[in-house]
Amino acid sequence: DTAVSQTPKYLVTQMGNDKSIKCEQNLGHDTMYWYKQDSKKFLKIMFSYNNKELIINETVPNRFSPKSPDKAHLNLHINSLELGDSAVYFCASSQDLLETQYFGPGTRLLVL
Amino acid sequence: AQSVSQHNHHVILSEAASLELGCNYSYGGTVNLFWYVQYPGQHLQLLLKYFSGDPLVKGIKGFEAEFIKSKFSFNLRKPSVQWSDTAEYFCAVNPLTYSGGGADGLTFGKGTHLIIQP
Repeated sequence: DTAVSQTPKYLVTQMGNDKSIKCEQNLGHDTMYWYKQDSKKFLKIMFSYNNKELIINETVPNRFSPKSPDKAHLNLHINSLELGDSAVYFCASSQDLLETQYFGPGTRLLVL
Repeated sequence: AQSVSQHNHHVILSEAASLELGCNYSYGGTVNLFWYVQYPGQHLQLLLKYFSGDPLVKGIKGFEAEFIKSKFSFNLRKPSVQWSDTAEYFCAVNPLTYSGGGADGLTFGKGTHLIIQP
């Protein structure tokens, strides 16, 4: 009965590789998000996706691309991984842009 | 753009001590306010939220927070902490405007690492 789920939980990969992280929510929410948590635990929004409208944080490199096959899924694809991409990535969802956000368990990405 | 300040990055308390974690935000308009907790190795969980109404809100696990509009503050309190409260605590703000607001996602403070000593 997990509300927001992410796969994989851990991801270890080499620099230059391309990887994807999947997110699914079963809450019937209209809005989904990706956040990045750095080594100092600082959380920052990367993307929000609401009613097929994608809002991108301008500081996110274009190597990162979210893909939403349907309302319940928002996957994150990362091209040409760099060392600085190592972080924990959290998916979240909410009923709309202003309501409470519910977070997934996170994906810990380590780029070697 | 809005910002959120959490005054204490690390707090160490003994069990049964009282807790107050400070949170201030900078945004001139109306906001929704949240406190999230992240236990070691786990995801963020909502502790409590303020949207409107009574500025003193109660959350889970005995936590409460008070919204003071004039001070742009939303401090988190608990009268008696337990060892199991050891975690990272995040204050977050979501401004109520559709002209770019909300779509920016939550703005988080940098977190307060709380350690409760038995």
